[in-house]
Amino acid sequence: RKEVEQDPGPFNVPEGATVAFNCTYSNSASQSFFWYRQDCRKEPKLLMSVYSSGNEDGRFTAQLNRASQYISLLIRDSKLSDSATYLCVVNAKAAGNKLTFGGGTRVLVKP
Amino acid sequence: GAVVSQHPSRVICKSGTSVKIECRSLDFQATTMFWYRQFPKQSLMLMATSNEGSKATYEQGVEKDKFLINHASLTLSTLTVTSAHPEDSSFYICSARGLSGAQANEKLFFGSGTQLSVL
Repeated sequence: RKEVEQDPGPFNVPEGATVAFNCTYSNSASQSFFWYRQDCRKEPKLLMSVYSSGNEDGRFTAQLNRASQYISLLIRDSKLSDSATYLCVVNAKAAGNKLTFGGGTRVLVKP
Repeated sequence: GAVVSQHPSRVICKSGTSVKIECRSLDFQATTMFWYRQFPKQSLMLMATSNEGSKATYEQGVEKDKFLINHASLTLSTLTVTSAHPEDSSFYICSARGLSGAQANEKLFFGSGTQLSVL
């Protein structure tokens, strides 16, 4: 089993719609969680950290479910510019504080 | 803000040659530099972790004699792909973790990546 797993997609989303997807992690000792956005052949960019209580940043909402070991990302009112690959990133300090990346979920927002 | 400058952005080379990729941290000191490789439609795979002034720690399956990493200063780390072959063609990207302040947390600052194509 991969340490961090994501549905690769693509999720085809009509402009203005809501899309949500999850990421599961296998290491129960994981302590920090992030969502990054990556455009094709570009560096990943931090979208948001994921906190235990859940957090929201504009149209983006992230949730953490420790019991089931997954995090989620929800995008409301999707824009064409939201088309990208969203990477789930997990940090397990016991593993040397290394960040482990999921394979990414591709989102395509269409007019 | 903190920036990591990576170059070259794109390299095309002949099989058997060596290629050096540089990452410089601007406006902050990078105590730790991570090097990743990403094949098309796949995730970033950590190749190695380097701390300034010490030897890099390589991930399982990554040949340390083929991928030479040097992190001689707090602002510069290099990855040299020695005797490159077509299967080494990939997107290589560095990321840095800083020494103190806002850069001392878990947030990583990424270089812009290097697309290596070996003919």
